[in-house]
Amino acid sequence: GQQLNQSPQSMFIQEGEDVSMNCTSSSIFNTWLWYKQDPGEGPVLLIALYKAGELTSNGRLTAQFGITRKDSFLNISASIPSDVGIYFCAGQEGGSEKLVFGKGTKLTVNP
Amino acid sequence: GAGVSQTPSNKVTEKGKYVELRCDPISGHTALYWYRQSLGQGPEFLIYFQGTGAADDSGLPNDRFFAVRPEGSVSTLKIQRTERGDSAVYLCASSLGGVGTYEQYFGPGTRLTVT
Repeated sequence: GQQLNQSPQSMFIQEGEDVSMNCTSSSIFNTWLWYKQDPGEGPVLLIALYKAGELTSNGRLTAQFGITRKDSFLNISASIPSDVGIYFCAGQEGGSEKLVFGKGTKLTVNP
Repeated sequence: GAGVSQTPSNKVTEKGKYVELRCDPISGHTALYWYRQSLGQGPEFLIYFQGTGAADDSGLPNDRFFAVRPEGSVSTLKIQRTERGDSAVYLCASSLGGVGTYEQYFGPGTRLTVT
């Protein structure tokens, strides 16, 4: 099925560093969402974006809805060990309720 | 409040058997979704319910897969004549369901293994 292009696939960083990951699509999306998934758990919603150009923060997380509506990025500032996990972007196209997901970015934080 | 719950958490079945996976959405959420997640992949959409009706079942891979939500709350995903390729984590999500409410909240998933 259709999936978004999410990069990087994996990241290995030191505690305290900032992280950036992004997602691109060939389709225009009306909504972008970012999720975090821990092993054996379901994805947990981090941030939802509804307008092109929108910049939204949730604690140390900041996400933006790209102007073209075909991309989004997620930044994590001052990473901590509990940030470890897999981060997924998801987009919702107009006229559809389903979410299309990227393949995820696996984040490892070294203390 | 209580989140989305799914049972069982794990299910091992033999090829050819029938299985049912249950999802209990967040109270008050009228929209319910089923996704399937294979190892190393993001979730892939299967079916969406608004209330009791399946509004979009375009993601169901074939006619062995069927889902119901008879009272507009709990949903059951049914898989007939299971195949080894059906092995995956089946995720359920729910949302408020009003216009512009696309924030979907996921349950912990059911890990299905077909031997």
